[in-house]
Amino acid sequence: NAGVMQNPRHLVRRRGQEARLRCSPMKGHSHVYWYRQLPEEGLKFMVYLQKENIIDESGMPKERFSAEFPKEGPSILRIQQVVRGDSAAYFCASSPYQYEQYFGPGTRLTVT
Amino acid sequence: TQLLEQSPQFLSIQEGENLTVYCNSSSVFSSLQWYRQEPGEGPVLLVTVVTGGEVKKLKRLTFQFGDARKDSSLHITAAQPGDTGLYLCAGETAGGTSYGKLTFGQGTILTVHP
Repeated sequence: NAGVMQNPRHLVRRRGQEARLRCSPMKGHSHVYWYRQLPEEGLKFMVYLQKENIIDESGMPKERFSAEFPKEGPSILRIQQVVRGDSAAYFCASSPYQYEQYFGPGTRLTVT
Repeated sequence: TQLLEQSPQFLSIQEGENLTVYCNSSSVFSSLQWYRQEPGEGPVLLVTVVTGGEVKKLKRLTFQFGDARKDSSLHITAAQPGDTGLYLCAGETAGGTSYGKLTFGQGTILTVHP
């Protein structure tokens, strides 16, 4: 069984550009979560999605950030007009049911 | 806002020693998960504890969930250099639409010297 896949692993964007981060959950998992790990900080919850639905986006910044998990294809975390403060590692996790979340390798976003 | 205090932040010990990492909160969690994270990689799930007072063992690692489901501990017996890494605890929010949301501790960086 393949694990959670994330791509790209590393992404460099200039200020003002858009960043798109992709996450393919483990086979059979219908719950997807996105977390952000800022330098020198712990992992922080951003958003929880199920297929075609956002369940909890309480950790998402109100502006510039959006997430989706379409019926077909990977989950996408989209950051518009990136700023230097968006530089971080972004992790996706998936779960078949409650309690256990399996993490992908992360996408390291660098904003120059 | 739920908080999870993890201690100690750094731990440097000699091979063969025992150690305990603690996670404490004033909030109740529906479950608590322990992860290990290597540099440049995502957290890897070690164990999930669900029931208050539950104890789980994974070889030399023993995990305990507090009776009130507000705290947890990770005990490693006879540590080895291969145990070196970042250990994270994460509590899952109980109930409501926050179901599944994990609150992470700050992590414990463990170094085991040969």
